[in-house]
Amino acid sequence: AQTVTQSQPEMSVQEAETVTLSCTYDTSESNYYLFWYKQPPSRQMILVIRQEAYKQQNATENRFSVNFQKAAKSFSLKISDSQLGDTAMYFCAFHLGGTSYGKLTFGQGTILTVHP
Amino acid sequence: DAGVTQSPTHLIKTRGQQVTLRCSPKSGHDTVSWYQQALGQGPQFIFQYYEEEERQRGNFPDRFSGHQFPNYSSELNVNALLLGDSALYLCASSFNGGWGYTFGSGTRLTVV
Repeated sequence: AQTVTQSQPEMSVQEAETVTLSCTYDTSESNYYLFWYKQPPSRQMILVIRQEAYKQQNATENRFSVNFQKAAKSFSLKISDSQLGDTAMYFCAFHLGGTSYGKLTFGQGTILTVHP
Repeated sequence: DAGVTQSPTHLIKTRGQQVTLRCSPKSGHDTVSWYQQALGQGPQFIFQYYEEEERQRGNFPDRFSGHQFPNYSSELNVNALLLGDSALYLCASSFNGGWGYTFGSGTRLTVV
């Protein structure tokens, strides 16, 4: 079974600064995907960024980037130039395989607050 | 853009009652997954439906059951409600063979 651990229940950052959210996971599989999802007060889970395990290059999406350390089973999210709209709960998630067959395994979440 | 629609948005039920939650997937999607999210926790996978069949299930008791209709919409049924069933129930749709989950805004169930 796969597990995902987020060790930071809460984080805060000043607007325009950079913050890093941590995530570790455990699996014996080799073909998997890792994700960061954002859940604002509207409750809808929104995909922030995706990383394929077979890719060595770290994924980036505008202000969001990841540091994927496969051997260490670590997957952190860096948010640059933080904006007030980034305030939300962030979840790290794991998925086996490359199709929608299967399930997402989520971590416990990190509440991020961006202060003006 | 027709995203994932869940209904109702909130409801309150009494212990022992039964509840049905509904989900309409995003246009073009044929697979529906259900998750339970307790307050302050990450979502937990309940089950996934494809071609009107349950094809994968998480660690949930048989009180949790589901259905998928020919138009790909889905229902989640919970029988004999317990206080611990109080949670946000999220529906996620996807296209079989493709990638990308689209989540709805969930149904907040409170059991009293």
